Amino acid sequence: EAQVTQNPRYLITVTGKKLTVTCSQNMNHEYMSWYRQDPGLGLRQIYYSMNVEVTDKGDVPEGYKVSRKEKRNFPLILESPSPNQTSLYFCASSWGVGNQPQHFGDGTRLSIL
Amino acid sequence: GQSLEQPSEVTAVEGAIVQINCTYQTSGFYGLSWYQQHDGGAPTFLSYNALDGLEETGRFSSFLSRSDSYGYLLLQELQMKDSASYFCAVIYNQGGKLIFGQGTELSVKP
Repeated sequence: EAQVTQNPRYLITVTGKKLTVTCSQNMNHEYMSWYRQDPGLGLRQIYYSMNVEVTDKGDVPEGYKVSRKEKRNFPLILESPSPNQTSLYFCASSWGVGNQPQHFGDGTRLSIL
Repeated sequence: GQSLEQPSEVTAVEGAIVQINCTYQTSGFYGLSWYQQHDGGAPTFLSYNALDGLEETGRFSSFLSRSDSYGYLLLQELQMKDSASYFCAVIYNQGGKLIFGQGTELSVKP
């Protein structure tokens, strides 16, 4: 089954404790992207990647890192999480951009205390 | 900066037609997409317009006017299951940078 898998689905942690949210897709998609969703703000792009070893900043990259060492994986790293990073996070992938539909993972709800 | 505007909420009755508008101000433009999101769920792709005009996919249609920086999503024969949030999104650089609107919550009443 074609899918984008994010882990964990839920996480409660404390300020400053490094964490990684994994994202994996099995569709051989080239484009992958991370978003955060906050009430009233819609989805905001954090980072995106057009292909292996190619990543770029979205609108809200501060406090996040990503890597794209393999086509299928695009982990989101919070080196020193802070409470303002408490949010719902989505990973998405597609063949390209534009008319290629982005397939979203089920989301990861992060709470930083 | 980049911005998209869409109404925060719309209410309609079952069987009716509803239009959700989206206006954008971005430094570049490569296309306008629409996504549907049910409460707590993942967004799902509905449609995409890169050129002016109407794109039809079943009960859903999407329109774009690049000269007016404006698009809309048209939902026909509304069903209760169409109650959800709808987001427009603009791709504004070739590399895939995009911005989403804040979302329109559609409530379909019996």
